[in-house]
Amino acid sequence: GAGVSQSPSNKVTEKGKDVELRCDPISGHTALYWYRQSLGQGLEFLIYFQGNSAPDKSGLPSDRFSAERTGGSVSTLTIQRTQQEDSAVYLCASSLGAGGRTGELFFGEGSRLTVL
Amino acid sequence: GQSLEQPSEVTAVEGAIVQINCTYQTSGFYGLSWYQQHDGGAPTFLSYNALDGLEETGRFSSFLSRSDSYGYLLLQELQMKDSASYFCAVIGSWGKLQFGAGTQVVVTP
Repeated sequence: GAGVSQSPSNKVTEKGKDVELRCDPISGHTALYWYRQSLGQGLEFLIYFQGNSAPDKSGLPSDRFSAERTGGSVSTLTIQRTQQEDSAVYLCASSLGAGGRTGELFFGEGSRLTVL
Repeated sequence: GQSLEQPSEVTAVEGAIVQINCTYQTSGFYGLSWYQQHDGGAPTFLSYNALDGLEETGRFSSFLSRSDSYGYLLLQELQMKDSASYFCAVIGSWGKLQFGAGTQVVVTP
């Protein structure tokens, strides 16, 4: 596609439920990133994929969070047993080449998660 | 680990010049990027510095001093549409980008 696509754009769930967020990067982009942004805050790094492997998972807040990437393309971020503090916008970004060495990431519009 | 510091807010009038400073601490430094984000929108890339010096892109310029672990974004001829949040981001090991907390730029008439 023309840009990074994320779905759903909005998700409202009840505390304790599992959610899956999907990211479809720009075709040909080998690096994929997940960030979390709470209202009025900065971007919190979650995880980074190079191809299908994740060299850096250091940002995942807890073991309730997991992510995978298959075929070097689509990625899914899964949050199990959601908590209210998980409410945020989850942003996906992709870049061409090995990691963000060009410094340029292309972001999707984000998935806004609200946990009631 | 990595840490970045930038001012939380800057206010300026239309036509003015604004400089947003960013200091960082990191290992495996490869470069410094700047992003703009309007309310409710996605961050968009503005500039990237891998080497010391000034990079100019239209009304926006970015500077890096690796020895001082310091960079800045310069916004010239401010326009109302420049009201947004601006983030510096350090590119470190593995190509990981770590973002600062952001600077809210408010442009007044």
